[in-house]
Amino acid sequence: GNSVTQMEGPVTLSEEAFLTINCTYTATGYPSLFWYVQYPGEGLQLLLKATKADDKGSNKGFEATYRKETTSFHLEKGSVQVSDSAVYFCALSETDTGTASKLTFGTGTRLQVTL
Amino acid sequence: DSGVTQTPKHLITATGQRVTLRCSPRSGDLSVYWYQQSLDQGLQFLIQYYNGEERAKGNILERFSAQQFPDLHSELNLSSLELGDSALYFCASSAGTTRGHEQFFGPGTRLTVL
Repeated sequence: GNSVTQMEGPVTLSEEAFLTINCTYTATGYPSLFWYVQYPGEGLQLLLKATKADDKGSNKGFEATYRKETTSFHLEKGSVQVSDSAVYFCALSETDTGTASKLTFGTGTRLQVTL
Repeated sequence: DSGVTQTPKHLITATGQRVTLRCSPRSGDLSVYWYQQSLDQGLQFLIQYYNGEERAKGNILERFSAQQFPDLHSELNLSSLELGDSALYFCASSAGTTRGHEQFFGPGTRLTVL
C-alpha cells in the first residue's frame, strides 16, 4: 500500500534559519504530493502541492520538488519566522479505481521557531 | 477559513454512547472525506463520499458509519464508543474525485470519551 515517511520532530530553529523537513513516499502508481500545515488548535491547511515528477510547489516562501527518482518531496524554506511554528504533514493521493483520492499522511513534524 | 464547517467543535461523552458529527462542505464541492487524528495512529482516512455515494473506505471501524445527504452535508456516526475513540475528527471536501484535487479541511471535532 501507499505510505509516507517524514523526519521525526520536533525541529527547533532560530528565526531566519534554513528549514528542511524530509519526506519520502511509497506508492504503486503516480501520486500527487502535498504539504499541509496545522497551526495549534486549527485544522489542516494546504501549504503546497505537486502533481507530477519534477514539479515544484511553492507558497509563502516554502518550496518542495517532486523527485520521482528518489521518491521524495522535501519541504524547504530559506528563512523561517516565529509564525511558521506549526506541525507540517507530508501527504500523497493516488487514484486507484479512478475515482478515489484519499490522502495518506506522514506522521507530521513539529516545527518550533524561536527568536 | 477553508469554507468547510464542522459541528460540534467539542464533544464529551461516556463509553458505550453514540454520537453524530456533522460536516458541511465548501459550496460546490461534491466529495466529502472523513479523517481521524489521534496521538497513537496519526491522521488516518476513514471514508469518502461523492455526491451522496460512498466512494472509498479506509480504516473505519464497523461501529462507525457515515452518509452524505442530498444537500451534500455529511454525518459521521460513532456508536458503542470506547476510550480509544477519543480523537480529533476532520472532515475535508474537494471539487471532484480525480487525483490532485485539493482537499479543504474543516476545523475538526474533538471527541473525548470518558
